[in-house]
Amino acid sequence: NAGVTQTPKFQVLKTGQSMTLQCAQDMNHEYMSWYRQDPGMGLRLIHYSVGAGITDQGEVPNGYNVSRSTTEDFPLRLLSAAPSQTSVYFCASRTGTGANYGYTFGSGTRLTVV
Amino acid sequence: AQSVTQLDSQVPVFEEAPVELRCNYSSSVSVYLFWYVQYPNQGLQLLLKYLSGSTLVESINGFEAEFNKSQTSFHLRKPSVHISDTAEYFCAVTLSGGGSNYKLTFGKGTLLTVNP
Repeated sequence: NAGVTQTPKFQVLKTGQSMTLQCAQDMNHEYMSWYRQDPGMGLRLIHYSVGAGITDQGEVPNGYNVSRSTTEDFPLRLLSAAPSQTSVYFCASRTGTGANYGYTFGSGTRLTVV
Repeated sequence: AQSVTQLDSQVPVFEEAPVELRCNYSSSVSVYLFWYVQYPNQGLQLLLKYLSGSTLVESINGFEAEFNKSQTSFHLRKPSVHISDTAEYFCAVTLSGGGSNYKLTFGKGTLLTVNP
């Protein structure tokens, strides 16, 4: 049971480049989400999904796209990277049953846009 | 929508001293509350959570938090800290009931630094 797996762990992009941050979970969780973490800002929700084929915007969605074709995978796409997207990105999935209700986070992707 | 305020961005303490990290939330309906810890250059780990029942919840490493509905608070406490407790701590809230589209909202974090 690997939990939530994020790849890559580190990435450097040039302004204007595109890339996809991968997130996969093997716990059959319906709910998945993407956060970005910036110093002094905590974690802010970018996009989330409540199941395959269903996605919605969070607090800071601009510049990011998501899709959810399977329960397991929830990739985050940067269409044209900007220096303001330099951040640490976390993917999380949620179990919503009883006392086990909670969120499992991946180990993060540290992205630098130059 | 719910929100979380962590009242202190940094808390420096000496080893073996007690510590309290403050967290207040805002919501018009019932909530679930969480504390996460992030050690330097690592991901987030769940420290403890309140879902229902006893308002005092404990972690395996000596932290505890008390849910106070009247004061809308969920402060984190430890009676005696260690150097290894140095980390950033995040309080988070979501609506109770496990609705499919309920989101987890984080505070801005409190950096706990334990000095020898």
